[in-house]
Formats: sequence, structure tokens, C-alpha cells
Amino acid sequence: ELKVEQNPLFLSMQEGKNYTIYCNYSTTSDRLYWYRQDPGKSLESLFVLLSNGAVKQEGRLMASLDTKARLSTLHITAAVHDLSATYFCAVDEDQGGSEKLVFGKGTKLTVNP
Amino acid sequence: DVKVTQSSRYLVKRTGEKVFLECVQDMDHENMFWYRQDPGLGLRLIYFSYDVKMKEKGDIPEGYSVSREKKERFSLILESASTNQTSMYLCASSAGTANFGYTFGSGTRLTVV
Repeated sequence: ELKVEQNPLFLSMQEGKNYTIYCNYSTTSDRLYWYRQDPGKSLESLFVLLSNGAVKQEGRLMASLDTKARLSTLHITAAVHDLSATYFCAVDEDQGGSEKLVFGKGTKLTVNP
Repeated sequence: DVKVTQSSRYLVKRTGEKVFLECVQDMDHENMFWYRQDPGLGLRLIYFSYDVKMKEKGDIPEGYSVSREKKERFSLILESASTNQTSMYLCASSAGTANFGYTFGSGTRLTVV
């Protein structure tokens, strides 16, 4: 059974600082996704990582995937208040290509002035 | 703009009622999913469907059923609502090609009293 663990679950940081959120998973997969959720809202797709060594960047966020280590990271550079949200990673457990995602519990990020 | 539409944003129902949550997507996606989201528990898969009239149980199907009579519509049914089914319900769809992951609806916050 695939398990996905994120850490930390809660992160409070100051504006301008850098930090990394980690996503570990327990079985082989080369498809990993990052989502953002604002309070009271649904999930919005951030990044799709489909191979070992994949790196994607959007603004102050950069995601990477190491399938050998079963690890993805979401790096935040020079945080701003607008990045405050909950971030989820999800791993596709269906290697047949039908897409069945298992989600981590989420990391609630608060960026303070 | 592609969309997954959930019919209600907020619902309040009484214990024992039969509850229907509707989800419609306009992307011609093969796959559709129902999750519930609870604080501290993350997203848990209730049911999913890879094709019309097809359904498969997820991790927590007890107390729920689903219907997929048309490709674009996936309904979640609470046969006899109970207070422990108070939750945020999220519908998602995907093309099944792994390239984009899921597109989520805006969610339905259900309160059972």
C-alpha cells in the first residue's frame, strides 16, 4: 500500500526567508503532483513531475523529484504573504497509467510579515 | 476554461436523510473521483470511476454509493446521512494520461445535524 508523508505539517516563516517542504513516498512511482489549497477553497494544481530528476519552477516555488530516493521537494524562495496556503503532494499509485493519486496530509504554510 | 462543477457549495442535512452530491466535468475526462477532506486526516478516497457505469471502492466507501450514468457526471450518494459524514467533499476528474493530474471541483461542505 502506497503511503505518502509530508513534513513539516505546519510551517510558519517570515517573509523573505527560504524553506523546503519534503514529500516522501513508500513504493515505486515516477509521477508526483503538487497542489495548493487556500482556506475554504478547493485544490489547485501547481506542478506535475513525471520523471526522475524533473524540476519545475513557478515564481518563488520550485519542485523536484528524485524517484530513486522516493522524495520530492517543494522549495520556497524569499517567501511572501501570498504564499500562505496548504500544500499537498500526491503520488500516482497506478503504474498502469490510469492515475489514482494518494495524497499527503498537507503542509500548512503561514508567511508572516 | 475547463471545469469541474459541484452542484452545491454548502449543504445542511438531517440525520437519516438520503443525500446526493453531484459533480459534472466538461473536459471529456475518463476518470472521476470523490474524496472527503477532514482536518488532520487529509484527503481520503471514497469512490472512483474509470468509465461510464463503472465504479470502484476507494479507501473509505462505507456509507456511500456512487452513480455514473453519463461520462460527464459522477454522483455521490449518502444512503442514510450520519453526523460522522459531516465533511468537505471534493470531486476531481482526470484524463488518465498522467500529464496533468487531477482537476478539482470547488468542493461541497456538508453538515449533517
